[in-house]
Amino acid sequence: KAGVTQTPRYLIKTRGQQVTLSCSPISGHRSVSWYQQTPGQGLQFLFEYFSETQRNKGNFPGRFSGRQFSNSRSEMNVSTLELGDSALYLCASSWGPPGVHSPLHFGNGTRLTVT
Amino acid sequence: AQTVTQSQPEMSVQEAETVTLSCTYDTSESDYYLFWYKQPPSRQMILVIRQEAYKQQNATENRFSVNFQKAAKSFSLKISDSQLGDAAMYFCAYRGGETSGSRLTFGEGTQLTVNP
Repeated sequence: KAGVTQTPRYLIKTRGQQVTLSCSPISGHRSVSWYQQTPGQGLQFLFEYFSETQRNKGNFPGRFSGRQFSNSRSEMNVSTLELGDSALYLCASSWGPPGVHSPLHFGNGTRLTVT
Repeated sequence: AQTVTQSQPEMSVQEAETVTLSCTYDTSESDYYLFWYKQPPSRQMILVIRQEAYKQQNATENRFSVNFQKAAKSFSLKISDSQLGDAAMYFCAYRGGETSGSRLTFGEGTQLTVNP
């Protein structure tokens, strides 16, 4: 079974631009969540989607948004990029119906650099 | 809000020896899960072991075991017979009850070095 796939692996953008990151979950998984990892702030939860609905949202500005498609693939978008958005963005998927604690499986992440 | 604290930024161990990584957490919930994840240079977070709060028995996965002290809100990871492949960043993580969904709260991480 293929794991969680994140594309692209590396991305370089300029301040003020916008970016879209993609995540394909493990087949059969319907929950996708996103995390930002930086040296200063560590790992922080961005948001979670289940069956195309956002279930949970972390404490990030509105420039960070996401969505999930009917095939469970998810995208996250960051608009008006700032230097501080440079980070490793990790996606995780789980089988995840509400109320069921199923393990999270992580992808290899997308390394975003904002110059 | 829940918090997770790892007080050891770096640890080192000799190959074949045992090392313990510390983690404490703070929560007012009674139903929760605790995890240890490993992140090697490949960047992928790999689940090492998990513990359900309602279970008193400490979880074990091969060379990895935990010491879960619920009253003290402590959750340490013991790695026995350390191997070179165990070298990685280790994160302790908390996951709350049903309303938390899949949301994890991570500690700051402990960088483990394994010396041959």
